[in-house]
Amino acid sequence: GENVEQHPSTLSVQEGDSAVIKCTYSDSASNYFPWYKQELGKRPQLIIDIRSNVGEKKDQRIAVTLNKTAKHFSLHITETQPEDSAVYFCAARPNQGGKLIFGQGTELSVKP
Amino acid sequence: NAGVMQNPRHLVRRRGQEARLRCSPMKGHSHVYWYRQLPEEGLKFMVYLQKENIIDESGMPKERFSAEFPKEGPSILRIQQVVRGDSAAYFCASSADGEQYFGPGTRLTVT
Repeated sequence: GENVEQHPSTLSVQEGDSAVIKCTYSDSASNYFPWYKQELGKRPQLIIDIRSNVGEKKDQRIAVTLNKTAKHFSLHITETQPEDSAVYFCAARPNQGGKLIFGQGTELSVKP
Repeated sequence: NAGVMQNPRHLVRRRGQEARLRCSPMKGHSHVYWYRQLPEEGLKFMVYLQKENIIDESGMPKERFSAEFPKEGPSILRIQQVVRGDSAAYFCASSADGEQYFGPGTRLTVT
């Protein structure tokens, strides 16, 4: 069935360091991979996404890479700041316009 | 352009009562998705609707749960005869045909 695995479940870094979160997906038909940031008690916020015809996408300090062959995708945050502290979720979409399958989440803590 | 709206934000129900959760999509969005998030867990897909049609309900329990998105008005997720295990945050998301944007959620507590 459709499944997304996310690692690590918790990640602690010093301010200014980089953070990397990795996800794997099971459905090779998946064509869209968004990343969401969720602060405590708040809604998930879309921070970056990538489509299956692209290998890498960057937006300021955030980048996402996709390896379709290995069915892996990763989130990279550079020059981390305390306000980056939150839970990050990856997701995969098996069908055009359809549901998202979410990973289990990574709690990122950036220590000043 | 207002974002996705959900109400109520908090809902307390006793076991056996009904819960009705409402979601108004972003202007111009015709796709609505409902997800459930248990404490300290990820988001689980429940149902995907377009106006007057259920497109995919593969994540919704067969009993007690129903959803609709009428021609006029918000999408409604209805939970009948609630049990303690239904306590969770229920998020809806809307899209035009791509990125999904989430509402603030309804936190349901069943006592």
